[in-house]
Amino acid sequence: GAVVSQHPSRVICKSGTSVKIECRSLDFQATTMFWYRQFPKQSLMLMATSNEGSKATYEQGVEKDKFLINHASLTLSTLTVTSAHPEDSSFYICSARKTGITYGYTFGSGTRLTVV
Amino acid sequence: SQQGEEDPQALSIQEGENATMNCSYKTSINNLQWYRQNSGRGLVHLILIRSNEREKHSGRLRVTLDTSKKSSSLLITASRAADTASYFCATLFGNEKLTFGTGTRLTIIP
Repeated sequence: GAVVSQHPSRVICKSGTSVKIECRSLDFQATTMFWYRQFPKQSLMLMATSNEGSKATYEQGVEKDKFLINHASLTLSTLTVTSAHPEDSSFYICSARKTGITYGYTFGSGTRLTVV
Repeated sequence: SQQGEEDPQALSIQEGENATMNCSYKTSINNLQWYRQNSGRGLVHLILIRSNEREKHSGRLRVTLDTSKKSSSLLITASRAADTASYFCATLFGNEKLTFGTGTRLTIIP
């Protein structure tokens, strides 16, 4: 089956520093990956769509310069939270869509980011 | 913006009982999917129903779709303690983006 590995699962960082989260498809190629943010007891909000070899497409209201997305290969997308603030503390989840498959979305296990 | 509304927001039932969750959405869809999320974890895909389908079964899961009412329901029969989780519907139309509902937090009481 399709497996997506997300790393780290938990990270604590100081305000003002940057944090990188990796999303890796282990056994399939993913032209497109998605990054979501989830606040406690709330739903998933799409932040951006990451396309291999091109710029990410950000949802309205998401700061491009703050949430840097890089999708340099067909199996890896990264989200970097720059100059982190406590309000960036959240649960970040990635998903990957298998290339050529319209409906197959596989989710990572999420990253709990705490900014202190 | 968030597409779907789910109800109830929270549901507690005794083990062995059936659990029903409802999802309403706002626009046309290609398909609707249900996911489960255990606390602090990622999402697990449960079942997908296409817009031209009305009902689908998978094990103890039964999903219905009424496109005229823009609504779907997820029924979990003979619930187990391990079914305790949050359940989300997600819709897909046109582009690749899944839009998630607000979720139902299900608690199964042993």
